[in-house]
Amino acid sequence: GAVVSQHPSWVICKSGTSVKIECRSLDFQATTMFWYRQFPKQSLMLMATSNEGSKATYEQGVEKDKFLINHASLTLSTLTVTSAHPEDSSFYICSAPTSGTSEQYFGPGTRLTVT
Amino acid sequence: DQQVKQNSPSLSVQEGRISILNCDYTNSMFDYFLWYKKYPAEGPTFLISISSIKDKNEDGRFTVFLNKSAKHLSLHIVPSQPGDSAVYFCAASAEGQGAQKLVFGQGTRLTINP
Repeated sequence: GAVVSQHPSWVICKSGTSVKIECRSLDFQATTMFWYRQFPKQSLMLMATSNEGSKATYEQGVEKDKFLINHASLTLSTLTVTSAHPEDSSFYICSAPTSGTSEQYFGPGTRLTVT
Repeated sequence: DQQVKQNSPSLSVQEGRISILNCDYTNSMFDYFLWYKKYPAEGPTFLISISSIKDKNEDGRFTVFLNKSAKHLSLHIVPSQPGDSAVYFCAASAEGQGAQKLVFGQGTRLTINP
């Protein structure tokens, strides 16, 4: 199946700093990518839809100025958590669908810990 | 409002037996349903899906059943194997084919006992 990678796999940062997470589709092009967040023992919650060549669309309650999304190319989307706070500590996962299917392929996730 | 619900947080099944994971949804606009398997600190892996025009889809040991009138779907794994131990998420989409947003349930942790 299709492969989606994320980098870094885990990151620890200090409160107030910014962190960038990359999501890459390795063997296919993705005009759309999705960013999810998962808190411990909870469901995956969709944060935003990343669109290549246009602005991302954010789900209700997600601050677009805090979670900056840039879909730089057909194989790369980045999520930047700005001015991170401890409550932003979570597991961030991206996904991308291959064209012509309804199935999404997920990255391995990024564990963010804000101290 | 939890549109997709997995009411059993955990399930324990003996190896070789059938595992049945359940999922309920409230949004009647959902027309595509998927099951994902997830290991700790990894992204979900797609298992099987079903369109609302069907009531059953089978792939090897995995079968998904959809009851639209009850807004209920289930995943059957038979025979269950130790490697099936993981968290299983059901997900639903409301916009048909293509790149669509998924709404996930809370997950059910399946443990297969030898």
